[in-house]
Amino acid sequence: GEDVEQSLFLSVREGDSSVINCTYTDSSSTYLYWYKQEPGAGLQLLTYIFSNMDMKQDQRLTVLLNKKDKHLSLRIADTQTGDSAIYFCALRGNQAGTALIFGKGTTLSVSS
Amino acid sequence: NAGVTQTPKFQVLKTGQSMTLQCAQDMNHEYMSWYRQDPGMGLRLIHYSVGAGITDQGEVPNGYNVSRSTTEDFPLRLLSAAPSQTSVYFCASSYSQGDGYTFGSGTRLTVV
Repeated sequence: GEDVEQSLFLSVREGDSSVINCTYTDSSSTYLYWYKQEPGAGLQLLTYIFSNMDMKQDQRLTVLLNKKDKHLSLRIADTQTGDSAIYFCALRGNQAGTALIFGKGTTLSVSS
Repeated sequence: NAGVTQTPKFQVLKTGQSMTLQCAQDMNHEYMSWYRQDPGMGLRLIHYSVGAGITDQGEVPNGYNVSRSTTEDFPLRLLSAAPSQTSVYFCASSYSQGDGYTFGSGTRLTVV
């Protein structure tokens, strides 16, 4: 079935850039998303990219999509302590119809 | 708009008890889903719906039932609670296939 992989942890210093990576198996995924979850909270949609795009920029966030390698990344510029959270990659997998399939999440820790 | 509302926020059940987790949205979204979140497992899809009267199973449907009699509501029923169902449950909704899902704040369920 559809598989979405993420590294589990990333630690950066405040002011640095963070890059969170995601790989997936279903090349027919049309919509790819990044969600943020702060402790004890629900999931917040950060940004998304369509499969016909290579890059999308939204303020401090840059999403890159390499369809050939089935690789998605989220770059956070000028990372702040408030960016500390779990980041989930999600995509629409064919076997689940229109529901989202999630990676296990990457915990980003930002130190000052 | 209240968004996606989940009730209750916390629940403790005894093994073998049944209960219904409520989910309601006021955004006229056709697509709704239920996920469970366990440490180190990310979010796993339980059931989803693409409109009133239409539901389907996700990755981990065993022990759960759903129905979708109205666009607004998508309750999740635990038939006979087991300790393995201890988890945080999230309901989410989406307007169209290209939109990201909006998540509720979650229900933290403990089965003893």
